[in-house]
Amino acid sequence: EVQLVESGGGLVQPGGSLRLSCATSGFTLTTYQINWVRQAPGKGLEWVSYISSDGSAMYYADSVKGRFTISRDIAKKSVYLQMNSLRAEDTAIYYCARRRNGNNPLDHWGQGTLVTVSS
Amino acid sequence: SYVLTQPPPMSVAPGKTATITCGGNNIGDKNVHWYQQKPGQAPVVVIYFDSDRPSGIPERFSGSNSGNTATLTISRVEAGDEADYYCQVWDSSGDHPVFGGGTKLTVL
Repeated sequence: EVQLVESGGGLVQPGGSLRLSCATSGFTLTTYQINWVRQAPGKGLEWVSYISSDGSAMYYADSVKGRFTISRDIAKKSVYLQMNSLRAEDTAIYYCARRRNGNNPLDHWGQGTLVTVSS
Repeated sequence: SYVLTQPPPMSVAPGKTATITCGGNNIGDKNVHWYQQKPGQAPVVVIYFDSDRPSGIPERFSGSNSGNTATLTISRVEAGDEADYYCQVWDSSGDHPVFGGGTKLTVL
């Protein structure tokens, strides 16, 4: 069974840092891109970042570029999102989701982890 | 950047047909995916590549895409279809997904 499980969310002060984890199982991580998508309270879906299936390419939304870093550990079957210089507008549920190469959909999502940036 | 436009919240009576549109410049040239998101849950794919249905999604869900509009149609709407629906394409470089703003469907 394909599973993606996020963790690491919580309450952090503005300017602080958090590291989110996305633990995967049931598929080969090197076959899929992993995306981070967030959803602010009561708002729609916003793409944040993705790492390519071979791990060679990482992309970021302009809103997080220079502050967030995506990485992965194949041995641990996990993908991470290091979030620095957090702002109130980063408050959201963060989902990780997989995508096979090509114009495929995000076919499996985790349950999400809530990040709250507030003093 | 590419923009997808979805209609405001809509309501439909049980047993009727719900039609949710997704507008974009020449969206007919792109592959459109549709997601259903129920309260407190992660999004789930209900239509991919314009009109394909994943296993487990009822035949009542269908999709089309042409010109500047993609459409998600839900026939014989049921109470369990009440959710937010998002359309999605990949940007021209294929680097990142573009989502529509979402449409909240209420079943009366």
